[in-house]
Amino acid sequence: ETGVTQTPRHLVMGMTNKKSLKCEQHLGHNAMYWYKQSAKKPLELMFVYNFKEQTENNSVPSRFSPECPNSSHLFLHLHTLQPEDSALYLCASTPSIGSNQPQHFGDGTRLSIL
Amino acid sequence: GQQVMQIPQYQHVQEGEDFTTYCNSSTTLSNIQWYKQRPGGHPVFLIQLVKSGEVKKQKRLTFQFGEAKKNSSLHITATQTTDVGTYFCKAPGAGKSTFGDGTTLTVKP
Repeated sequence: ETGVTQTPRHLVMGMTNKKSLKCEQHLGHNAMYWYKQSAKKPLELMFVYNFKEQTENNSVPSRFSPECPNSSHLFLHLHTLQPEDSALYLCASTPSIGSNQPQHFGDGTRLSIL
Repeated sequence: GQQVMQIPQYQHVQEGEDFTTYCNSSTTLSNIQWYKQRPGGHPVFLIQLVKSGEVKKQKRLTFQFGEAKKNSSLHITATQTTDVGTYFCKAPGAGKSTFGDGTTLTVKP
């Protein structure tokens, strides 16, 4: 139990589908992150939110749309994905944006695009 | 670009052998963190090093931070099958992803 819960754990979708990934943290943290982890690349930071405000978007295609309604919840809305988007999507949180704070990760959502 | 380079990418050892992974940066780091990701799992924070020349131990794991604070290493003594996984170093960066590529350790019983 990491305090960061991601749902669903696995998702298979077609390229024309629309789905959403959910992340919820019970740690009282204010910063939340989305990472993509694929077989050939290391952890790639996608988005960062601090106190519900997006502070970073690392050139992520618009077919990924994040949403952070409050400091405890983070969503990643998916539409018109490509096969290369198949990966493990990890959510993480920290007390705040800070360079010396360990990241707490959820178990991730394993996404497969058909 | 990536702030830290990690080597080796893969390491296969016989159970009982030692293992070391290295993390190198071209710039001075204020701190460095280490994470472990078990197969099928998620990264889990292990430790953070802050001081120049710092050495910390966790049972069979020894973490070092270089004198110049540009490199770090993780050494495992007498590996066990429970040590398998990918070990990542992470440099600081406000909101930026600065994880190394990771070293994947496999241990043959």
